[in-house]
Amino acid sequence: EPEVTQTPSHQVTQMGQEVILRCVPISNHLYFYWYRQILGQKVEFLVSFYNNEISEKSEIFDDQFSVERPDGSNFTLKIRSTKLEDSAMYFCASSLTDSTDTQYFGPGTRLTVL
Amino acid sequence: AQTVTQSQPEMSVQEAETVTLSCTYDTSESNYYLFWYKQPPSRQMILVIRQEAYKQQNATENRFSVNFQKAAKSFSLKISDSQLGDTAMYFCAFTLSSGTYKYIFGTGTRLKVLA
Repeated sequence: EPEVTQTPSHQVTQMGQEVILRCVPISNHLYFYWYRQILGQKVEFLVSFYNNEISEKSEIFDDQFSVERPDGSNFTLKIRSTKLEDSAMYFCASSLTDSTDTQYFGPGTRLTVL
Repeated sequence: AQTVTQSQPEMSVQEAETVTLSCTYDTSESNYYLFWYKQPPSRQMILVIRQEAYKQQNATENRFSVNFQKAAKSFSLKISDSQLGDTAMYFCAFTLSSGTYKYIFGTGTRLKVLA
């Protein structure tokens, strides 16, 4: 069964550094998402992406964040200047159609900012 | 704004027994979708079951079934004949049927199935 994959599984970075988290959505899916989960808290929506543009973003998704689909298979989340509070598990998801369709999640990337 | 509440942080059940996980939500909308996702240790979230709000019939998937009470805004998950492989974190999630792409999650219930 097709799966969403994410790399790396764990990323450690220094505060102020840029990080790029990578995701490979399910191949025929058209909608892509990023969520994050700070330890002990809820999974929170960050952004959705469709047709090469952001379709929705949360208040968390500020100018420090950006997303890109650089080729036909990858979907990336970039954090330009990481802060301590960016430490979290970041989940990528994809769906074939819009929110009425099930979102399939990747295993997550644990980001630790020191 | 929509919210999802899971009031049971942890639960345990004996193998082969039945367990019910609770989820309540709040919305003023009438058309939406509800989900239960399972996240085994160090694995990704996988869909367990999905319910469309306009359907009165409760969704079932093998040993998993829901009790969807729309008026009470309640969406509980029942796991019958619990198996060791059911040990996982279970998340309840909500999304509107239009106007948004985001899922809203509860805080999760950690379920442990005991041998």
